[in-house]
Amino acid sequence: NAGVTQTPKFRVLKTGQSMTLLCAQDMNHEYMYWYRQDPGMGLRLIHYSVGEGTTAKGEVPDGYNVSRLKKQNFLLGLESAAPSQTSVYFCASSLSANDRAGANVLTFGAGSRLTVL
Amino acid sequence: RKEVEQDPGPFNVPEGATVAFNCTYSNSASQSFFWYRQDCRKEPKLLMSVYSSGNEDGRFTAQLNRASQYISLLIRDSKLSDSATYLCVVKPNNNDMRFGAGTRLTVKP
Repeated sequence: NAGVTQTPKFRVLKTGQSMTLLCAQDMNHEYMYWYRQDPGMGLRLIHYSVGEGTTAKGEVPDGYNVSRLKKQNFLLGLESAAPSQTSVYFCASSLSANDRAGANVLTFGAGSRLTVL
Repeated sequence: RKEVEQDPGPFNVPEGATVAFNCTYSNSASQSFFWYRQDCRKEPKLLMSVYSSGNEDGRFTAQLNRASQYISLLIRDSKLSDSATYLCVVKPNNNDMRFGAGTRLTVKP
């Protein structure tokens, strides 16, 4: 049982390049999330999805796009990377947003470290 | 003001010490509260949920004070393996979790 898998783990981009981060989960979770983590800032939500075919903006969505064509996959795209997007990106999933019985507990991937030069 | 605020530390304590972390949140409508643990260069992992009545899991005790919008985590008999960053997490609405910046703990021999 792999849980949440993120690829790639590391990537260096030049300003203006595009890339896609892939997140895959095998727990049949409905909800999936993309966070970024920067020093002193805590994790900030970029986009999330409450089910296959749905996406929604989080706290810091600008410069990113997402897609959830299959329930198990959640893709994060950077169309034109900027140095401000240098960060560690974490994907997470949860069974639901229900507060009961631990359904809203987040399971995280190992992270993707992105550097934009 | 940040939605979730924590003392960043670092807290440096000897093995066997008791240490307490505090966290305040700004959204009074928040319904769920958690402590996550994050080791260096690793992903966050759930340490424990925080219930209104307070709850304990071995050496760890979590407390919630809704009136003061305050959450705490107490670690008794600290172990070297407790060294990590502790993240306070608050769920202000149905689809979001807000994270504090974390409190770093180092337990020394």
